[in-house]
Amino acid sequence: QKEVEQNSGPLSVPEGAIASLNCTYSDRGSQSFFWYRQYSGKSPELIMSIYSNGDKEDGRFTAQLNKASQYVSLLIRDSQPSDSATYLCAVNRGAGGTSYGKLTFGQGTILTVHP
Amino acid sequence: GAGVSQSPSNKVTEKGKDVELRCDPISGHTALYWYRQRLGQGLEFLIYFQGNSAPDKSGLPSDRFSAERTGESVSTLTIQRTQQEDSAVYLCASSFTSGGALEQYFGPGTRLTVT
Repeated sequence: QKEVEQNSGPLSVPEGAIASLNCTYSDRGSQSFFWYRQYSGKSPELIMSIYSNGDKEDGRFTAQLNKASQYVSLLIRDSQPSDSATYLCAVNRGAGGTSYGKLTFGQGTILTVHP
Repeated sequence: GAGVSQSPSNKVTEKGKDVELRCDPISGHTALYWYRQRLGQGLEFLIYFQGNSAPDKSGLPSDRFSAERTGESVSTLTIQRTQQEDSAVYLCASSFTSGGALEQYFGPGTRLTVT
């Protein structure tokens, strides 16, 4: 089992729709969760972080975390063609141990928003 | 303010040569991270620094890879006797601290091609 798994893509949604991106992780001790957006040929850009169970909203983006189910998701409302990118889920184990700073990334989900 | 900067942006080298990649973190960020992204693949953690110490070197692929950091400033990743499998984009990130909130911000990367 991979440490961080994302729903297989590519994901294609029409402009204006809600895009739903999912991620599961295997380490139950994980504490911090992040979503990055990566445009082709560019470096990852942080779009959301979440640390507590529940929802966190920022503009058109909502991150959802369920630690009991070891599941984190990202919803993009009113999707725009400019949202077309690869979305990376990243997980950190949090306090304690030498792996404190390490982010473990999923393979990414390619999202295409078509006009 | 200025983001993470990396140099060079592109490096082409012959197999067997040594290369040095440089990262300048965001001012005030005490933690610095190196990742590698091979073509079409996810990000692999290499090493991270808190100040100038490296608590976690677990991701370095072999003893040909080494990294150092001067204080809470510039870091250099050195690859000795480069091999073709070292070809990848090397990404550097920084964060305020390796404790608590761990938002990591990435630089533009160095694309390394070993011929």
